[in-house]
Amino acid sequence: GQQVMQIPQYQHVQEGEDFTTYCNSSTTLSNIQWYKQRPGGHPVFLIQLVKSGEVKKQKRLTFQFGEAKKNSSLHITATQTTDVGTYFCAGPSGAGSYQLTFGKGTKLSVIP
Amino acid sequence: EAQVTQNPRYLITVTGKKLTVTCSQNMNHEYMSWYRQDPGLGLRQIYYSMNVEVTDKGDVPEGYKVSRKEKRNFPLILESPSPNQTSLYFCASSRGRNEQFFGPGTRLTVL
Repeated sequence: GQQVMQIPQYQHVQEGEDFTTYCNSSTTLSNIQWYKQRPGGHPVFLIQLVKSGEVKKQKRLTFQFGEAKKNSSLHITATQTTDVGTYFCAGPSGAGSYQLTFGKGTKLSVIP
Repeated sequence: EAQVTQNPRYLITVTGKKLTVTCSQNMNHEYMSWYRQDPGLGLRQIYYSMNVEVTDKGDVPEGYKVSRKEKRNFPLILESPSPNQTSLYFCASSRGRNEQFFGPGTRLTVL
């Protein structure tokens, strides 16, 4: 079945440093979603990317969808302590599928 | 306020004692889903439902049942819980294949 791999599993950064997490799928994705889960909280939707090569920005967060639609990245510029949490990518398990496969997530710690 | 609610939020039970975790959404979403979250394994989908009376297995359905008799509710049933079902459970809903709204989670411990 489809696999969604996310790296790194953990990342510790000094406040103000940049952070990037990468997501790779074993199959071509029709779209990819990103979620953030704060410690003790529930996943919260950040964004959905649909087009090949798409780049979207949300303030200090930049999301990219690869040209082949098999990989994606989330980049945070100048991290802040409010960025702490686990970031997940998720993609449909097949063309037209309602089943969603999540990556295992990247846990971000920010040292003040 | 648009939300997904789950009950109970915390539950400690014993092996073999049937339990139900309820999930309800007030956004008129067609799609609902159950996930379990375990350390190092991320979120894994248990079951999902595309609409009333339409359900399908996710990646880890063994030991679970679901039903979707009403659009707003999607209960998760553990007929005979076992310790390996100790986990954090999330319900989610969405309109189609778009943004999923997650509930607050149910932490289940099976002794």
